Amino acid sequence: GNSVTQMEGPVTLSEEAFLTINCTYTATGYPSLFWYVQYPGEGLQLLLKATKADDKGSNKGFEATYRKETTSFHLEKGSVQVSDSAVYFCALRGLNSGYSTLTFGKGTMLLVSP
Amino acid sequence: NAGVTQTPKFQVLKTGQSMTLQCAQDMNHNSMYWYRQDPGMGLRLIYYSASEGTTDKGEVPNGYNVSRLNKREFSLRLESAAPSQTSVYFCASSEATRAGNTIYFGEGSWLTVV
Repeated sequence: GNSVTQMEGPVTLSEEAFLTINCTYTATGYPSLFWYVQYPGEGLQLLLKATKADDKGSNKGFEATYRKETTSFHLEKGSVQVSDSAVYFCALRGLNSGYSTLTFGKGTMLLVSP
Repeated sequence: NAGVTQTPKFQVLKTGQSMTLQCAQDMNHNSMYWYRQDPGMGLRLIYYSASEGTTDKGEVPNGYNVSRLNKREFSLRLESAAPSQTSVYFCASSEATRAGNTIYFGEGSWLTVV
């Protein structure tokens, strides 16, 4: 079946530091890849997505490139802000046991200090 | 701009009690989902409804039932709550179940079973 592995947190950074959160996946066929963000006490919001190999998703200064050769979709941001503190989930959507829905990683908490 | 709305936001149940989580979406989406989120586990699919009139089991369906009442509404019922069902529950929807479709989430329902 499908699976997503992302780096364990928490990731602790100072404001304006560079961020990378690693995400790798296992899937059959051609899944779509997503990053969701969850701020404290809130639901999940779509951050960005990529639907085919070599696509780059980007939003709010975050970006991730769909790398089929390395089965990866690492999240990056050049300069993080305190307001980026949240839990980030990597997810894929593809066929899994006959249905197509999201398979999530376990989440990575990001803490940004001033 | 409601999107996916779920109620209640917080609930405390005693073991053996029953309750229904309600969910409605106003995006005219065909597919709806119920997930649960547990610490260190990411989100796991409980049930989904690919279209009005159909429901199917996801990864962790035991102890739950669902009803797709109409295109807008998808409810999740716990017939006899157990402490293991203490979790945060998210309803979600998407235009369809194709891999590229984005899944949109509600804000979550925090359920504690004592």
